[in-house]
Amino acid sequence: SQTIHQWPATLVQPVGSPLSLECTVEGTSNPNLYWYRQAAGRGLQLLFYSVGIGQISSEVPQNLSASRPQDRQFILSSKKLLLSDSGFYLCAWSVGGSAGRGFFGSGTQLSVL
Amino acid sequence: AQSVTQLGSHVSVSEGALVLLRCNYSSSVPPYLFWYVQYPNQGLQLLLKYTSAATLVKGINGFEAEFKKSETSFHLTKPSAHMSDAAEYFCAVSTNYGGATNKLIFGTGTLLAVQP
Repeated sequence: SQTIHQWPATLVQPVGSPLSLECTVEGTSNPNLYWYRQAAGRGLQLLFYSVGIGQISSEVPQNLSASRPQDRQFILSSKKLLLSDSGFYLCAWSVGGSAGRGFFGSGTQLSVL
Repeated sequence: AQSVTQLGSHVSVSEGALVLLRCNYSSSVPPYLFWYVQYPNQGLQLLLKYTSAATLVKGINGFEAEFKKSETSFHLTKPSAHMSDAAEYFCAVSTNYGGATNKLIFGTGTLLAVQP
């Protein structure tokens, strides 16, 4: 069966520090991978998606970047965190053509202080 | 462009009462529509989805939603609320009809509180 792992579950980082959130998928190959952010009091926003290794599409300009070094690994990064980067980050995967059925990780609550 | 509007950021119902969470969408192509639930400290779970088959869609935990094209709505209902239904609910539309990327556009969410 397919599973998705996302870590860490919670993270507290000072402003200006770097960030690396990792997401891995098991039980499927060549998935589409996504990073979403849920900021306090706001809905979910798609940040990045990837349809293959090394292929990253950014949905909104921001202080974050994403990379896909392996087929089932998706990394969200920042060189210098801002206060506005605080939020709940969700990794998700889907198989192309599956009508948008996404499978989500358990999320990372990031607090930038 | 596609978008989703969820009316009411907070909804409170009594245990046993009807749950109605509203979702309206905008789409230039036939939409795929979804409801997700997020329990405290957990990730999202798919409740149900509409993909151009039956307009009344049944999901998990007794929830259902009806696609109404004339009203551009996809409201989520449950006849009788249970305490365990307290969570945040997100409506979403897929941006790629029949495509490969399956990006989702989410509404801002509705926090459902169930009172004893």
